[in-house]
Amino acid sequence: GQQVMQIPQYQHVQEGEDFTTYCNSSTTLSNIQWYKQRPGGHPVFLIQLVKSGEVKKQKRLTFQFGEAKKNSSLHITATQTTDVGTYFCAGGKTNAGKSTFGDGTTLTVKP
Amino acid sequence: NAGVTQTPKFQVLKTGQSMTLQCAQDMNHEYMSWYRQDPGMGLRLIHYSVGAGITDQGEVPNGYNVSRSTTEDFPLRLLSAAPSQTSVYFCASSYVAGGTEAFFGQGTRLTVV
Repeated sequence: GQQVMQIPQYQHVQEGEDFTTYCNSSTTLSNIQWYKQRPGGHPVFLIQLVKSGEVKKQKRLTFQFGEAKKNSSLHITATQTTDVGTYFCAGGKTNAGKSTFGDGTTLTVKP
Repeated sequence: NAGVTQTPKFQVLKTGQSMTLQCAQDMNHEYMSWYRQDPGMGLRLIHYSVGAGITDQGEVPNGYNVSRSTTEDFPLRLLSAAPSQTSVYFCASSYVAGGTEAFFGQGTRLTVV
């Protein structure tokens, strides 16, 4: 079945440093979504990418979808303590009727 | 806007007991799903439904049953609780299956002793 792998599993950064998490699928995706889960909270939708090579920005966050639609990345510039949490990607295939989540990257930020 | 409502928020069960985790959404979403989240394991799909009367198994369905008699409700039943089912359970809904924004409930933290 479809597998979605995320690396790294954990990332510890000093406040102000950049952060990147990568998501790789074993199969071509229809789309990919990114979610953020604060400690003790539930996943919250950040963004969806649909087009090959698509790049979207939300303030300090930059999301990319690979040309082959099999990988994606989330980059945070100049991390802040409010960025702490676990970031999940979810690879969607419209003909499969579901999305597959990666295991997430947990980000901690030292002030 | 209630969104996705899960009850209870916390539950302690004894091994062998059964219970139902409730999930309701008021967004008229066709697609609903249940996940369990264990430390370091991400979100694993238990069961999902693409519409009322239709359910299917995810990657970890054993020990759980679901039904979807209405668009709004998607309860998850634990048939005979086991310590391995200690986890945080999330219900989610989305407008369609396979790739649109998913809305998650607050989660149910279940401990089986």
